[in-house]
Amino acid sequence: RKEVEQDPGPFNVPEGATVAFNCTYSNSASQSFFWYRQDCRKEPKLLMSVYSSGNEDGRFTAQLNRASQYISLLIRDSKLSDSATYLCVVNVAAGNKLTFGGGTRVLVKP
Amino acid sequence: GAVVSQHPSRVICKSGTSVKIECRSLDFQATTMFWYRQFPKQSLMLMATSNEGSKATYEQGVEKDKFLINHASLTLSTLTVTSAHPEDSSFYICSAGRTVEAFFGQGTRLTVV
Repeated sequence: RKEVEQDPGPFNVPEGATVAFNCTYSNSASQSFFWYRQDCRKEPKLLMSVYSSGNEDGRFTAQLNRASQYISLLIRDSKLSDSATYLCVVNVAAGNKLTFGGGTRVLVKP
Repeated sequence: GAVVSQHPSRVICKSGTSVKIECRSLDFQATTMFWYRQFPKQSLMLMATSNEGSKATYEQGVEKDKFLINHASLTLSTLTVTSAHPEDSSFYICSAGRTVEAFFGQGTRLTVV
């Protein structure tokens, strides 16, 4: 079993719609959780950290469920520019050694 | 602006030659940097952890004699792909952390012909 698993997609989303997807992690000792965005042939960039209480940043909402060991990302009012691969990233211990999920590809279409 | 700079962004080399990739932290000191590799349509895979002043820690399956890592200063780590082969063609990315956030270099697309 992979340490961090994601549905690879693609999720084809009409512009303006809402899309949500999850990521599961296997190590219960995982401490920090992040969503990164990666555009084609570019480096990943931090989208948002995921906090235990859940957090929202504009149209993006992240949730953490430690009991079931998954995190989620919800995108509201999807824009064409939201088309990208969203990487679930888990940090098991301090030191920034990150474990990446395979990524979920989102395609927003007019 | 970028806080981690990686160079070169693209390189094409002949099979059997060596290629050096540099990763610099621009406005902070990084005792630890990470090197990842990403094949097309796959996720980033950690290759090794670069430790300033000591030997790098390699992930299982990564040949330390082929992928030489040097972290001689607090702001620079280098990855040298020795005797490159076409199967080494990939996207190589470094990262360094500041507090809990990791910053990535721009990546190096290596093509071995």
